[in-house]
Amino acid sequence: DSGVTQTPKHLITATGQRVTLRCSPRSGDLSVYWYQQSLDQGLQFLIQYYNGEERAKGNILERFSAQQFPDLHSELNLSSLELGDSALYFCASSVGGGRGNSPLHFGNGTRLTVT
Amino acid sequence: AQSVTQLGSHVSVSEGALVLLRCNYSSSVPPYLFWYVQYPNQGLQLLLKYTSAATLVKGINGFEAEFKKSETSFHLTKPSAHMSDAAEYFCAVSDPGAGSYQLTFGKGTKLSVIP
Repeated sequence: DSGVTQTPKHLITATGQRVTLRCSPRSGDLSVYWYQQSLDQGLQFLIQYYNGEERAKGNILERFSAQQFPDLHSELNLSSLELGDSALYFCASSVGGGRGNSPLHFGNGTRLTVT
Repeated sequence: AQSVTQLGSHVSVSEGALVLLRCNYSSSVPPYLFWYVQYPNQGLQLLLKYTSAATLVKGINGFEAEFKKSETSFHLTKPSAHMSDAAEYFCAVSDPGAGSYQLTFGKGTKLSVIP
C-alpha cells in the first residue's frame, strides 16, 4: 500500500460531461502529481502541486484543471469530456517539491470511461 | 527535453532465467533514473532509483540496474525470474535541477514468465 488514496476507482460518463477525481497524498507528502495513462500515449505527466501551489505543468489540456487544498488533498477536474479522454488517471505524491531524490508514490488510479 | 526508450514492448522469459529489460535515456543533464513496476489493476510501485551515487543500484524483489553514462543506459536485471515478476515495467527519468519530479516515462515493457 503506497499510502496514496484515489477515488473513485472507476468512473463511467458520457461525452460532454464533467467529472472530478480526488487524491489524498501520503501523510507528510507536500507534492501531488497527476498522470494520465492511455494505451496510445503511455504515461503522461499532467500537472504538479506543491503545498497548495502549482509547481509544474505538463501535457494538460485546457479542459482539465486541478487544485490542491489546504489539507493537501487534490482534485483533478475534467470537463467537456471526449471519447479520447478515456484513460487511467494516476495521482502520485512526494515529500519534497522536486529537489532531492525522494521518489514518487503512486495511487491505484481512477479508470475513466467516456461513452 | 528528456526522453526514455524501452526496447521491447513484450519480453518473455522462462521461470528461473535471467531477466533483462532495456532502457536508454536522453537528457541534457545528469538525470535521476527510476524503474517502476505495475501489476494488473494497480498503481506503479518503485523498484529502484539512481540519483548519482553508486552506478549499480539494488532494488526490491531481487532487481538491480546499472547506470552506464557512456551508453546512456539503465537496464534492469534479475538473475532468476519468478512467476510473480510478471508485470509491466516502466523506466523513467527526471531532471534533478528542474525543481519538479515530473517524470518522463518510457512506453513500458510487459514481462511474461513462462513456467
